[in-house]
Amino acid sequence: SQELEQSPQSLIVQEGKNLTINCTSSKTLYGLYWYKQKYGEGLIFLMMLQKGGEEKSHEKITAKLDEKKQQSSLHITASQPSHAGIYLCGAAGWTGNQFYFGTGTSLTVIP
Amino acid sequence: DTAVSQTPKYLVTQMGNDKSIKCEQNLGHDTMYWYKQDSKKFLKIMFSYNNKELIINETVPNRFSPKSPDKAHLNLHINSLELGDSAVYFCASSQTGRAYNEQFFGPGTRLTVL
Repeated sequence: SQELEQSPQSLIVQEGKNLTINCTSSKTLYGLYWYKQKYGEGLIFLMMLQKGGEEKSHEKITAKLDEKKQQSSLHITASQPSHAGIYLCGAAGWTGNQFYFGTGTSLTVIP
Repeated sequence: DTAVSQTPKYLVTQMGNDKSIKCEQNLGHDTMYWYKQDSKKFLKIMFSYNNKELIINETVPNRFSPKSPDKAHLNLHINSLELGDSAVYFCASSQTGRAYNEQFFGPGTRLTVL
């Protein structure tokens, strides 16, 4: 079983459209990270959420952590081709120093 | 300046060979990690080193051996390569091994075993 499930698995949107990616945990999240991976490249840190109900924004990307700290959503407003890539949520703190990644969401933005 | 660097970026080799992937971080971090990303893009942690001591080994075959000459370097040596070892391997580092510390990733090494 997977501790962190992401949905959808893949997403194709027209440029300018809004979209949401979800990350659901089977356990309480103590620290939830969002990363973006461009095809063939490394991971880029987007933001980290710790408190229930917390919301952070960076440019056109907003991430929220629900009050129960078991689900996070990443919302992109007015998507652009530069937003294309794989989005990964990550979590830590359940067992020692282990860090877990979600199943990933592949985003394609059509110009 | 690159924060976390890996070499080589691409590695193509035959089954049965031994190969190494190098990782260096110039962030002064105490903890370094190796992850394997499979064909489905799923990232799985392999090793974690904190101040040159192994603190996690996620049931990785003993053909894989991490080597840390100092806290800025964590190299991954793989013996007797198998087809299933083909994947992208990512190195990462964090300030400490604590849960809330952000991890900084290298660009990845794409390993192809023929």
